Amino acid sequence: SQQGEEDPQALSIQEGENATMNCSYKTSINNLQWYRQNSGRGLVHLILIRSNEREKHSGRLRVTLDTSKKSSSLLITASRAADTASYFCATDEGGGNKLTFGTGTQLKVEL
Amino acid sequence: GAVVSQHPSRVICKSGTSVKIECRSLDFQATTMFWYRQFPKQSLMLMATSNEGSKATYEQGVEKDKFLINHASLTLSTLTVTSAHPEDSSFYICSARDYLGINSPLHFGNGTRLTVT
Repeated sequence: SQQGEEDPQALSIQEGENATMNCSYKTSINNLQWYRQNSGRGLVHLILIRSNEREKHSGRLRVTLDTSKKSSSLLITASRAADTASYFCATDEGGGNKLTFGTGTQLKVEL
Repeated sequence: GAVVSQHPSRVICKSGTSVKIECRSLDFQATTMFWYRQFPKQSLMLMATSNEGSKATYEQGVEKDKFLINHASLTLSTLTVTSAHPEDSSFYICSARDYLGINSPLHFGNGTRLTVT
């Protein structure tokens, strides 16, 4: 199945700054989800936004969805060193019950 | 919250041997589990969908005889890498939903790092 693309591939920022990462996908979706992966570990679900929603917040996370452009963004505000991880978007564009993951953004937050 | 346990976390095996990886949903029942494979610094590639009580659904290009999946109960799915070769070395991750519905997140195990020597 086709994967979505994320950019940037890698992002390095200072603690306290905001981090924005983008995700694009190819076909229609019911929802888009963002996950975080610490090195060598499984993924942790962060937030889900439905296709009829445009923006969603959860703590320091803000997700937007533009279905006309088939794109989404994840904003992490006031970043912390502990936010250092890889971030993946995922959609159900493969159809059915499965998720298709994007290429991921490696975020590094430096003290 | 929903917890998925995956075991072992690391395994080293010799070429030609088989390795079994277990994925358990600890506090919920999972009629469907998903097996992913991840290469270093790359994304997750879905290998197969494991269905309780029936055959797994494999993605295109994944050899079903190479990667045997068994989902004998509502809380356990296993992936067996048969006759492993060095190119099978990878990070394997399982996941499941704690309730049905497309608008629900996946819960992931912590993955298994397989190294075939």
